[in-house]
Amino acid sequence: KAGVTQTPRYLIKTRGQQVTLSCSPISGHRSVSWYQQTPGQGLQFLFEYFSETQRNKGNFPGRFSGRQFSNSRSEMNVSTLELGDSALYLCASSLELGEGKTQYFGPGTRLLVL
Amino acid sequence: AQTVTQSQPEMSVQEAETVTLSCTYDTSENNYYLFWYKQPPSRQMILVIRQEAYKQQNATENRFSVNFQKAAKSFSLKISDSQLGDTAMYFCAFMKRDSNYKLTFGKGTLLTVNP
Repeated sequence: KAGVTQTPRYLIKTRGQQVTLSCSPISGHRSVSWYQQTPGQGLQFLFEYFSETQRNKGNFPGRFSGRQFSNSRSEMNVSTLELGDSALYLCASSLELGEGKTQYFGPGTRLLVL
Repeated sequence: AQTVTQSQPEMSVQEAETVTLSCTYDTSENNYYLFWYKQPPSRQMILVIRQEAYKQQNATENRFSVNFQKAAKSFSLKISDSQLGDTAMYFCAFMKRDSNYKLTFGKGTLLTVNP
């Protein structure tokens, strides 16, 4: 079974631009979560989607948004990029039932904001 | 809010030896899950081991085992017979049982296995 995939893997943007990142979960997984990883703040939860609904949201400004499609694929969008948004963005998927809430992570999208 | 603390930013161990990584957490919850994830250099994060708080028996996965002390809110990871491929950043993480998949991570411990 294929793992979690994320595209693109690397991205360079300038301040003020917006960016969209994509995540395809493991086949059959319906929950998708997003995390931001930076050297200073570590790993921080952004949001979680299940059946096209956002069920949980972390403490990030409204510039960070996401959505989930009917095939469970998810996108996250960051508008009006700031230098501090440079980070590794990780997506994780989970099987809703069973496996004790284990999340499987993708390789991440590394975003650099100049 | 829950917090997870990993007090050892970096550790090193010789190949074939045993090493223990520390993790403590703070929560008022009674039902929760604890995880150890491994993130090798420039590679993706993978699950090492998982513990359910209501289970008193410590989880074990091959060379990896945990020492779960619920009252002390401690969740350490023991790696036996360390291998070069164990070199990675290790993250301890907490999830409330009803939190809909929100993981709270510690800052991580960088483990280097030396030949």
